[in-house]
Amino acid sequence: KQEVTQIPAALSVPEGENLVLNCSFTDSAIYNLQWFRQDPGKGLTSLLLIQSSQREQTSGRLNASLDKSSGRSTLYIAASQPGDSATYLCAVRGYILTGGGNKLTFGTGTQLKVEL
Amino acid sequence: ETGVTQTPRHLVMGMTNKKSLKCEQHLGHNAMYWYKQSAKKPLELMFVYSLEERVENNSVPSRFSPECPNSSHLFLHLHTLQPEDSALYLCASSQAYWQVGPEAFFGQGTRLTVV
Repeated sequence: KQEVTQIPAALSVPEGENLVLNCSFTDSAIYNLQWFRQDPGKGLTSLLLIQSSQREQTSGRLNASLDKSSGRSTLYIAASQPGDSATYLCAVRGYILTGGGNKLTFGTGTQLKVEL
Repeated sequence: ETGVTQTPRHLVMGMTNKKSLKCEQHLGHNAMYWYKQSAKKPLELMFVYSLEERVENNSVPSRFSPECPNSSHLFLHLHTLQPEDSALYLCASSQAYWQVGPEAFFGQGTRLTVV
């Protein structure tokens, strides 16, 4: 059974700092990995999608890396801003053995606060 | 705005009530999903519909009853819920369930409180 762990659970940093969020997963047989942002009480916004054959993806100040063999991904946020404050969720998509199809398995998230 | 719309955004219901959650997408996606997000827990997949057919039911109690009348709409009918069912219910869609690794798009969620 796939398990996804995110460390740290919460993080508070001053504005302007570069930071790294970590995600690890137990089963390396994944199709892709997706990073989401969730604001309090809101839905999920997709930030980056990394295919299993890729090593990293970049979007603006965000850079996500994937090391499939070791079961790890990192989300790097450069020059953090107060508007980056949110919960960041990592999810891996793997194959469902019964009936086919594929499934997203989520971590519990890292709650980030960027202070002025 | 992700293209997936959920209504209502907030719902308070008694344990004997019957209510429904609605999800709508006009992205042309063929797969739709219901997730439950409880405090301090990972998102839990509840149901998956592909081409209006339920393809997955992750041991969800029968007091939750999904319905997918067409590929653009998904409902979650609720009856005789328990306080522990209070959570954020998220709907998602993707291009196709059987396609390898499609990107998922999520709605804003319905915050459900059972009293």
